[in-house]
Amino acid sequence: GDSVTQMEGPVTLSEEAFLTINCTYTATGYPSLFWYVQYPGEGLQLLLKATKADDKGSNKGFEATYRKETTSFHLEKGSVQVSDSAVYFCALWYNNNDMRFGAGTRLTVKP
Amino acid sequence: GAVVSQHPSRVICKSGTSVKIECRSLDFQATTMFWYRQFPKQSLMLMATSNEGSKATYEQGVEKDKFLINHASLTLSTLTVTSAHPEDSSFYICSAIGQGALNYGYTFGSGTRLTVV
Repeated sequence: GDSVTQMEGPVTLSEEAFLTINCTYTATGYPSLFWYVQYPGEGLQLLLKATKADDKGSNKGFEATYRKETTSFHLEKGSVQVSDSAVYFCALWYNNNDMRFGAGTRLTVKP
Repeated sequence: GAVVSQHPSRVICKSGTSVKIECRSLDFQATTMFWYRQFPKQSLMLMATSNEGSKATYEQGVEKDKFLINHASLTLSTLTVTSAHPEDSSFYICSAIGQGALNYGYTFGSGTRLTVV
């Protein structure tokens, strides 16, 4: 079945370091892909999305490109801040309303 | 953008009592709402999917008599944890989709921390 695999955390970085969180997917069709962020004690917030191959989603300095050839949607940020500390979820979604989430990757950024 | 309001954000209840959690779509009509449970440092576990005006569809292993879901209108779904026990303590999150959802995917509520003592 369709699924999402994220790199295991936790990830600990120093402020201003480069961030990559890997996400790959398995799907029979052409899903939309999302990254959600969850800050401590809160629900999930949409960070960015891409709805078709080669689309690049970007927001708040984060970006991810929908790579059909490698079935990937890796999250990147050039310079992380302490405020980026959170759990990040990769997800895929079809119009049949069935969103599949990765296990989540906890990021801690130290000053 | 789409906004989903979830209340309460925190609740503490005694073992054996029932707790109701509300999930409202504030600026769109939510044709489908989802309820998730999240254990500490883990991903979201889908509990059930509810469509307005029909019975919720529960995931395997979720007790429908314990977790009562009602989706009586296009803007409100409720989750009632009946006869709560300490093992029901968890973080519960709702999400909703409606028209234009492709642009947003799911819109999530802010979650409810339930503690059963």
